[in-house]
Amino acid sequence: AQSVTQLGSHVSVSEGALVLLRCNYSSSVPPYLFWYVQYPNQGLQLLLKYTTGATLVKGINGFEAEFKKSETSFHLTKPSAHMSDAAEYFCAVSVGQAGTALIFGKGTTLSVSS
Amino acid sequence: GAVVSQHPSWVICKSGTSVKIECRSLDFQATTMFWYRQFPKQSLMLMATSNEGSKATYEQGVEKDKFLINHASLTLSTLTVTSAHPEDSSFYICSAPLPTGNTGELFFGEGSRLTVL
Repeated sequence: AQSVTQLGSHVSVSEGALVLLRCNYSSSVPPYLFWYVQYPNQGLQLLLKYTTGATLVKGINGFEAEFKKSETSFHLTKPSAHMSDAAEYFCAVSVGQAGTALIFGKGTTLSVSS
Repeated sequence: GAVVSQHPSWVICKSGTSVKIECRSLDFQATTMFWYRQFPKQSLMLMATSNEGSKATYEQGVEKDKFLINHASLTLSTLTVTSAHPEDSSFYICSAPLPTGNTGELFFGEGSRLTVL
């Protein structure tokens, strides 16, 4: 079975500071990993994904994440936070097969202060 | 633009009534769709898998007689909350995988906020 753990339900940073949102996963098969962002009362938007190949993946809005198999981690980072980055972020895991649901972590609320 | 569309975005109903939420895939066919439920400040919990042409598969603890799912066509799945009660108030989100590729990525609808009075 797959599971996702997001460390820290709430992260606060200053504008311009580094953003680091942590995600660890558990999977019995090679995982496909995702980060989604959710703004209030909206659906989810894909930030980035890891399937196979390069372990450092770049996504939209300057975000990137690195798949580390040895640490079973897929932490999300952004060098410089912007006010518009304030949102809820979800890490998710899938077995990668077509037609398979995603399993989500509990989410991390990112606050950005000026 | 959106590839999965939900309707309605907001719905308020009286306790005991039924509410239907529609989920449509735009410009692609979805033999499978997923329904999630999200309580305030919480994560998305998978409720059920909607399968075109067959019965939905429900997750443990989800009442199939209360949350009726019908996948009537390759572009439409509906979730009907029957005899709704205040505890059913939640944010319901549907999703669908693209038919091409095999990355496991899901596209999500905009969500439907249900408030039961």
